[in-house]
Amino acid sequence: KAGVTQTPRYLIKTRGQQVTLSCSPISGHRSVSWYQQTPGQGLQFLFEYFSETQRNKGNFPGRFSGRQFSNSRSEMNVSTLELGDSALYLCASSTRTPETQYFGPGTRLLVL
Amino acid sequence: AQSVTQPDIHITVSEGASLELRCNYSYGATPYLFWYVQSPGQGLQLLLKYFSGDTLVQGIKGFEAEFKRSQSSFNLRKPSVHWSDAAEYFCAVGAGEYGNKLVFGAGTILRVKS
Repeated sequence: KAGVTQTPRYLIKTRGQQVTLSCSPISGHRSVSWYQQTPGQGLQFLFEYFSETQRNKGNFPGRFSGRQFSNSRSEMNVSTLELGDSALYLCASSTRTPETQYFGPGTRLLVL
Repeated sequence: AQSVTQPDIHITVSEGASLELRCNYSYGATPYLFWYVQSPGQGLQLLLKYFSGDTLVQGIKGFEAEFKRSQSSFNLRKPSVHWSDAAEYFCAVGAGEYGNKLVFGAGTILRVKS
C-alpha cells in the first residue's frame, strides 16, 4: 500500500496570505490527523477528522481550519499567515481509533 | 492534562553500545503509548506501541520498550546501536476521547559515535 502523501512538500508564503495543504491517507484509513512541528513548540496536535467530521481539535486559533472529503483525503487551511506559522505540518492517518497513526513526510511552510 | 516528558534532549552513544531513552507520561487512564523516530527533514516512523497486555513490547529495527505503570514510564531500549540509528526519537501518549490525539514529548536527539 502507498503511504500517506502530502502536497506540496515545500511552500513559501508571505504574511497575510492564506495557504491550503493537502493530505491523502493510506487506502482504507478513515481517520486523518494534523500536527504542527516547530523547533520552539515541538509537535502539537491541530485536529483530527473521521468520516468527514472533526472529532478533536487542539489549541490553535481559528485561522487554522480543516476538512475531510468523502474519499478520506483531507485539507488544512491557514488564513492570514503569521511568521510564527512557519513549521513542518504533518498529516497522519489510521484505520480507526485508537490505533497507530502513520505519518506522511510533511509540508514545510515558510512564511516571510 | 496529559503530558509526556523526555528528560534527555541529546544523547551520544558509541556504535555497538546499548541505548536507553527515557520517557515519562502523565495520563489518568490506561495510556496508549508510542515511540516514533524522525530523520532530518522526514516524517515520523513508528518504532513500537503499547496498548495493553505484555508490558515489554518489541518494535522494528531491534528496539524494545517496557511499560511500567508504577513509574509512569515507557523507556525505549536497544542492545546494540548502529550508526543509522542516529535520529530524533519521540515518545507519545494517545489522549482525547478516542485516544487519537497524540501528545508528544520534546524529543531526544541521538548521536552515534563511530
